[in-house]
Amino acid sequence: GDSVTQMEGPVTLSEEAFLTINCTYTATGYPSLFWYVQYPGEGLQLLLKATKADDKGSNKGFEATYRKETTSFHLEKGSVQVSDSAVYFCALKRLNTDKLIFGTGTRLQVFP
Amino acid sequence: DARVTQTPRHKVTEMGQEVTMRCQPILGHNTVFWYRQTMMQGLELLAYFRNRAPLDDSGMPKDRFSAEMPDATLATLKIQPSEPRDSAVYFCASAPLSGGSGANVLTFGAGSRLTVL
Repeated sequence: GDSVTQMEGPVTLSEEAFLTINCTYTATGYPSLFWYVQYPGEGLQLLLKATKADDKGSNKGFEATYRKETTSFHLEKGSVQVSDSAVYFCALKRLNTDKLIFGTGTRLQVFP
Repeated sequence: DARVTQTPRHKVTEMGQEVTMRCQPILGHNTVFWYRQTMMQGLELLAYFRNRAPLDDSGMPKDRFSAEMPDATLATLKIQPSEPRDSAVYFCASAPLSGGSGANVLTFGAGSRLTVL
């Protein structure tokens, strides 16, 4: 079945460091891919998305590129801030379905 | 900003009691989801509705959980009787009809944190 695999956390970084959170997926067909972020005590919020191969989603300095050949959608940011500390979820949705399938989440902790 | 509203935000109850969680989806969104989040299992889809009709509740323990949409502005998730293993954060999310595209986005509520003693 469809699934999403994320790197284990926590990821601990100093402010202004480069961030990569790995995400790979297994799915039939051509799913849409998403990154959601969850700040403490809140629900998930969409961070960025990509709907087809080679698309790059970007928002708030974060980027992820839909790589069909490696079935990956890694999240990157060039310079993290303390305010980026949160849990990040990679997710996929197959065409013509409504269900989002989430990875287990990766906690990011950024220290000043 | 339009938002999904969930009540209660926090609920502490004793084992065996009935628990009802409510969700007001964004006006105009016709797909509503219930997710459960725990440390051990992560985010699990319990059930979802399209145009108020249940489409998939395969993730929900049928013997004690039930989900309904009495009208387009209210979704409910009920647990009866509750057990300590039901302790989790329950999220409601809504989305517009995708129309076959892959890009429709879920908007999540802030969650209902349930503790069953």
